[in-house]
Amino acid sequence: ETGVTQTPRHLVMGMTNKKSLKCEQHLGHNAMYWYKQSAKKPLELMFVYSLEERVENNSVPSRFSPECPNSSHLFLHLHTLQPEDSALYLCASSQEGRPYYGYTFGSGTRLTVV
Amino acid sequence: AQTVTQSQPEMSVQEAETVTLSCTYDTSENNYYLFWYKQPPSRQMILVIRQEAYKQQNATENRFSVNFQKAAKSFSLKISDSQLGDTAMYFCAFYQWDNYGQNFVFGPGTRLSVLP
Repeated sequence: ETGVTQTPRHLVMGMTNKKSLKCEQHLGHNAMYWYKQSAKKPLELMFVYSLEERVENNSVPSRFSPECPNSSHLFLHLHTLQPEDSALYLCASSQEGRPYYGYTFGSGTRLTVV
Repeated sequence: AQTVTQSQPEMSVQEAETVTLSCTYDTSENNYYLFWYKQPPSRQMILVIRQEAYKQQNATENRFSVNFQKAAKSFSLKISDSQLGDTAMYFCAFYQWDNYGQNFVFGPGTRLSVLP
């Protein structure tokens, strides 16, 4: 049990579909993150939520829409994606003010856009 | 801006031997944390070891240890008695925070293969 659970584990979607990725943490953390991990590229930070408020959006296209209804749940809503959006999407959480513990990651959702 | 460099895209080591993965970083800050994460084929990023910049003593966790050279901005990971389960991507990460926010930067990763 990692404490950060992501669903689904795999997702194949067409370019006109709408889908959502879900992330849930059971660690009592107050910050959550979405990362994109593509082959041959460094991890890319997409969104940061702190105390359920979005504090950072690293110029992510609007076809990605995050939602953080409470401190335990984070969603990434997807619509009209492109094939280059195919990647592993990782969710992470942390407790702000306690950097010693770093981030705790989920196992990711492998997204394939066809 | 802080950057993290891992100059070895891929490495391999024989089972039971020792391997060292390199990491360098660039920052003008004095207080920060450094981490090594492991990502096996299961995809979950697992924290392996951490180092606080203000501590001179190198961190150790069982078979994993680091060589932290603050002046050289170097943070290498040594894996002793390598096991097949150590096969994974290894990411070096830098974490710094201040009143304006936090900054968590990952290196590009090193793919380690432990050979039987």
